[in-house]
Amino acid sequence: GQNIDQPTEMTATEGAIVQINCTYQTSGFNGLFWYQQHAGEAPTFLSYNVLDGLEEKGRFSSFLSRSKGYSYLLLKELQMKDSASYLCAVRGFNAGNNRKLIWGLGTSLAVNP
Amino acid sequence: GAVVSQHPSRVICKSGTSVKIECRSLDFQATTMFWYRQFPKQSLMLMATSNEGSKATYEQGVEKDKFLINHASLTLSTLTVTSAHPEDSSFYICSARGGGSEKLFFGSGTQLSVL
Repeated sequence: GQNIDQPTEMTATEGAIVQINCTYQTSGFNGLFWYQQHAGEAPTFLSYNVLDGLEEKGRFSSFLSRSKGYSYLLLKELQMKDSASYLCAVRGFNAGNNRKLIWGLGTSLAVNP
Repeated sequence: GAVVSQHPSRVICKSGTSVKIECRSLDFQATTMFWYRQFPKQSLMLMATSNEGSKATYEQGVEKDKFLINHASLTLSTLTVTSAHPEDSSFYICSARGGGSEKLFFGSGTQLSVL
């Protein structure tokens, strides 16, 4: 089967660094996405990794290891507004051999003062 | 960045009525649009994929006669929840891909409450 695993909840302190891990098992691989979703709102794009390595974008960085089926999202200098759910999604293939996104359940991050 | 507009943002309806949700790509041509539903504290569940001018591809377990999807143009897709029931109450989100990008751009979502 296809599945994506990420921690359900994490807590961190304002100003700190937090790493959210994601492991996946999918039929094929065509890229991994991280999205941020605040309660009651639609997800917003954070990062896209298709090759191994670290992609840095401001306070957020995302890492991918295709051989290990592993990614992480690193958030630095945490702010209160970073409290949200972080969704890991992998583009694999469905039964019709079409590319489709497979979504993790999301990691709810709470940033405390 | 690309903008996807989704309306309405919130709708409350009586059981048995039909509700239409619109999703528009405002500044790019969306070759593919996706419709998701999301229950509280759960992840996104893909309902269907629609390509402009062709029939939508529904995910297993999603009733195509209940969730009607129309993608008549490169900038507009609609989802109609027919004969809505309380169990259809959920957060519905559309997303679009196009403009040569691999990214998905999401609408703001529609919170449907069926009484």
